[in-house]
Parts: sequence; C-alpha cells; structure tokens
Amino acid sequence: QVQLQESGPGLVKPSQTLSLTCAVSGGSISSDYYYWTWIRQPAGKGLEWIGRIYASGNTNYNPSLKSRVTISVDTSKNQFSLKLSSVTAADTAVYYCARGFSLEPGAYFDYWGQGALVTVSS
Amino acid sequence: DIQMTQSPSSLSASVGDRVTITCRASQSISSYLNWYQQKPGKAPKFLIYAASNLQTGVPSRFIGSGSGTEFILTISSLQPEDFATYYCQQSYSTRYTFGQGTKLEIK
Repeated sequence: QVQLQESGPGLVKPSQTLSLTCAVSGGSISSDYYYWTWIRQPAGKGLEWIGRIYASGNTNYNPSLKSRVTISVDTSKNQFSLKLSSVTAADTAVYYCARGFSLEPGAYFDYWGQGALVTVSS
Repeated sequence: DIQMTQSPSSLSASVGDRVTITCRASQSISSYLNWYQQKPGKAPKFLIYAASNLQTGVPSRFIGSGSGTEFILTISSLQPEDFATYYCQQSYSTRYTFGQGTKLEIK
C-alpha cells in the first residue's frame, strides 16, 4: 500500500519561500507508470493543481503559479519536494502531495498524503 | 484553462436516496473526467476515472456517466458514510482543473 507524507514548516512569512517535502513509502518513486504531484486547498475552498514531476525530473506547472513554483525529486530518498517563492496570504492552504497515474491520455490521482497546513503570516 | 462547474453546490438527502451530481466542462474533454470524495479534515479519496470506471474497492452504488462536456455522478442508495463533498476533475488538459465541489449533507 503506497503512502505519502508531507512535511515542512507550518508557518511562513510573507515574501519568503514555502518548502514542503513528500515522502513516499510502499512503492518506488522511480516507477515508469506514475508521476508525483502537488495540490492545494485554501480553507473552505476547492482544489488547485500546482504541478507534477516524473522520476526523470520532467515537470509541468500550473501556469498561474509557474513563475514561483519549483518541484524536484530525490529518487535516492524516495521523496519529492515543492518550493513556492514570494508567498502571500493567498498562498495559505492545506498542501497535498499525491501520486498521479497517467492513462496517456488522461490521468488520475489515486493516492494522497494527509495534507499539510501552511499559513502565511508575519 | 478548462473550467469545471458542478451543480448543485450543496445537496440535502436522506439515507437510501438516489442522488445525482452534475459536472460540466467549458469545452469537450471526451471522457477524461475523474471524481473524488472528501470528508472534513481528510484528503480527497479517488472514486472514478475516465468518467465511468470505478476505482478498485469503491462500492458499486457509485456510478459515473457522461462524455464531452456533461458528466454525472450518481449514488444509487445513499449510505451514512457517503455524506461528504464531491469534486470532479478533468485530465484532458495537463493543466488539471477541479470543479468547485458539491457538498452532500444529511436531510
């Protein structure tokens, strides 16, 4: 059973960089069939896809966040990470990591972490 | 971006009822539509992919249908554990987008 676990600071100051890591267990992050993604959810609101990364390092980002987002992967540690720069209060949200399965075309997110609440405040 | 619009935004129903949730896409997305269930304080749970295919372990009372721009999630006989918020998500474009959610509440 694949499990994902987010970790990182729960409080970030405005203009600084939000950093989160997602540890994957129960399966290899290097599998050819999957990619790894970040999704966020402000309190009481819907879900917003942030971006994805393959084990090869290839990435795709939400255009609305692209200038501030970096997703990276560390296959030796079976984990991947999110960095979001120049944060504002609008970036306050629960951040989820998830596994994506590509149907080519089409895809879905079948396993999710429990979520990490990140608050942007001075 | 492809906009996904769900209706209704909220719905009250009783155990045993049959309910339907509609998801509309701003352009045709073929059958590249997924459904998720989210309970308060929990991560979303994956239910259905490619409009009508049940994820392993999901009860058969969950039924997905549709193609093009209109999709429906039907729960044939509501169980107490089904009261939650449901989201649709398109994967036609890699700029994945979700609907705003439909909150299913107990009447």
